[in-house]
Parts: sequence; C-alpha cells; structure tokens
Amino acid sequence: NAGVTQTPKFRILKIGQSMTLQCTQDMNHNYMYWYRQDPGMGLKLIYYSVGAGITDKGEVPNGYNVSRSTTEDFPLRLELAAPSQTSVYFCASSLLPGAEAFFGQGTRLTVV
Amino acid sequence: AQTVTQSQPEMSVQEAETVTLSCTYDTSESDYYLFWYKQPPSRQMILVIRQEAYKQQNATENRFSVNFQKAAKSFSLKISDSQLGDAAMYFCAYRSEVQGAQKLVFGQGTRLTINP
Repeated sequence: NAGVTQTPKFRILKIGQSMTLQCTQDMNHNYMYWYRQDPGMGLKLIYYSVGAGITDKGEVPNGYNVSRSTTEDFPLRLELAAPSQTSVYFCASSLLPGAEAFFGQGTRLTVV
Repeated sequence: AQTVTQSQPEMSVQEAETVTLSCTYDTSESDYYLFWYKQPPSRQMILVIRQEAYKQQNATENRFSVNFQKAAKSFSLKISDSQLGDAAMYFCAYRSEVQGAQKLVFGQGTRLTINP
C-alpha cells in the first residue's frame, strides 16, 4: 500500500534556485494539501486542491505554486528559494471532507 | 478565516494518569469536522480521533476521548491511562465543510511528555 508518496525526502537548495516537490497518491482521493512545518511548530497550509484542475491558496502561499492536472499528482513548485523556506514539507490527501487525511513522510528542505 | 488555537505548548503527565489537551477554534460555519492528530518523533502524522460538528455525542477511541463544546468552540482531548507510547506532538485540526473551501487547518501543537 503506497498511500501518499513524497519525493525527495531531503534536499539542500542554494538561495535563488528552484525545485519541485513531488506528491502522488494512489487512493483516488479528491482532496490534497501541502503544508510546511517549521521546527517545533504546527503545520501551516500552503495550498490545497479539491479535485483535478482546482487549486486554492492556504495560509502561507507566497513563494510557492501548485498544479493539479491529475487526481493522483499534486506537485509543489518553489521559485527563487529563500532561507525562510527552510522547513519540512508535508503532502496529504483525503477522500471526503470529514475523512482521515493521509500524510506523506515529509520532505526536509534546507535553503543555504 | 478559520483559526485553531492550542494554548498549551507543552504538557506532561505521569504514566497511567489522565491528561487533557486544550483546543479552541474560530469559525462562522455550522457544519465542519474536528480532528486530533499525533506526531511522534518519526514525523508521521497519525489520526487519533475525529468529531463531526453536527453530532452532539463526544467521540471516543479506546483511551482517547474528546469534550466537544460547539457553542464555546472548544475541542479538548482527554488521554486516560497514559502510556509511554503516547509521548508525541498533538495537533488539533479543523476541516471546513463549505463546498470548494474544504481546507484542513492545524493548531500550533502541544508537546506531550509521559513521565515513567
């Protein structure tokens, strides 16, 4: 059972570089989310999607972009990486609004 | 916008005793869902318990139960007979039911320590 798969698990970026964090789920979930978790803090919602072709901003969208061309994939794009984007990033998905959200293992990103 | 507040950054409890973690939220909606998630050092997010706002009965899952006070917008988690494996960060979360805006928002977390 793959569930929610995030790649890569770790990455070091230089300031100004760009990268895409990949997230894919094999549970046919409509709802997908991207969060960032700074050390010792809670999860802040970056972007979310309620279905293929539909995305919306969360609490902290600046510096990020997303797309949702298929039900399975929800990549997160970082343009012009900044040290403030150093964090652990989680992707999650759920079938229904009230259903359990399943999380990926996280991507630890460091911007230097 | 919906917000979730956990006012206790850290809590500790003796093994086998009971502890209650607090959570309040702000919303103008009448239908929504509330969750408690546990995050051990492995970083994996694990669902502990969920509550539908339209249900008056408090949810229970084995040693875990909630006190849901809709009017007060309060959703506390009670852990009975605490075990060493309960040590983790606990996050309260709110899920909107509004069509097209079903974002899942988390509180800041409470770090729970279990003392043997």
